[in-house]
Amino acid sequence: DSGVTQTPKHLITATGQRVTLRCSPRSGDLSVYWYQQSLDQGLQFLIQYYNGEERAKGNILERFSAQQFPDLHSELNLSSLELGDSALYFCASSDTPGGGTEAFFGQGTRLTVV
Amino acid sequence: ILNVEQSPQSLHVQEGDSTNFTCSFPSSNFYALHWYRWETAKSPEALFVMTLNGDEKKKGRISATLNTKEGYSYLYIKGSQPEDSATYLCAPTKGTGANNLFFGTGTRLTVIP
Repeated sequence: DSGVTQTPKHLITATGQRVTLRCSPRSGDLSVYWYQQSLDQGLQFLIQYYNGEERAKGNILERFSAQQFPDLHSELNLSSLELGDSALYFCASSDTPGGGTEAFFGQGTRLTVV
Repeated sequence: ILNVEQSPQSLHVQEGDSTNFTCSFPSSNFYALHWYRWETAKSPEALFVMTLNGDEKKKGRISATLNTKEGYSYLYIKGSQPEDSATYLCAPTKGTGANNLFFGTGTRLTVIP
């Protein structure tokens, strides 16, 4: 158990809908990363937050947004969903902002858009 | 977006063989290099975080070296076992701002019993 909790584990929704994925980082970790893993693809970096502030941005679509709350949990909001958004979404946390220490991954949320 | 290359993309070895694979990354503004092991149906787990040029780290039969000047790291597995079968990911970080923990596509290792 990495200490990072992601909910829900599975999500099935229709095209055009909006969903929210939730991540609770390891106790004490201030940095949260979001990744997308589509079929046969690697881990695509979406966005990083550190202590409530956006720290780094990857190939995150405009339809997607994220935030980190004062209690350090983070949410990834996906809207106007398309079939191609079906993927496994991972959250990871670490205790530093710059990637100098290891990140701990949650078990992922599998999103299926039908 | 960082240009991180891992080779080979996939590898099949016999149980007991030793193997190694490569992670290449831009050497400018280097801060740290992460290696992760990702088993099918599980989440990635950290193996090493390396920061110093010439650094070598070891965990059991797995070790890694780092060359920050030329921008590469090697991961070695000695006496591969079936349980070593996984995808091995590397991710460099620049420490500040963008491009932190930007993963390569990984090397998929299959150890044949």
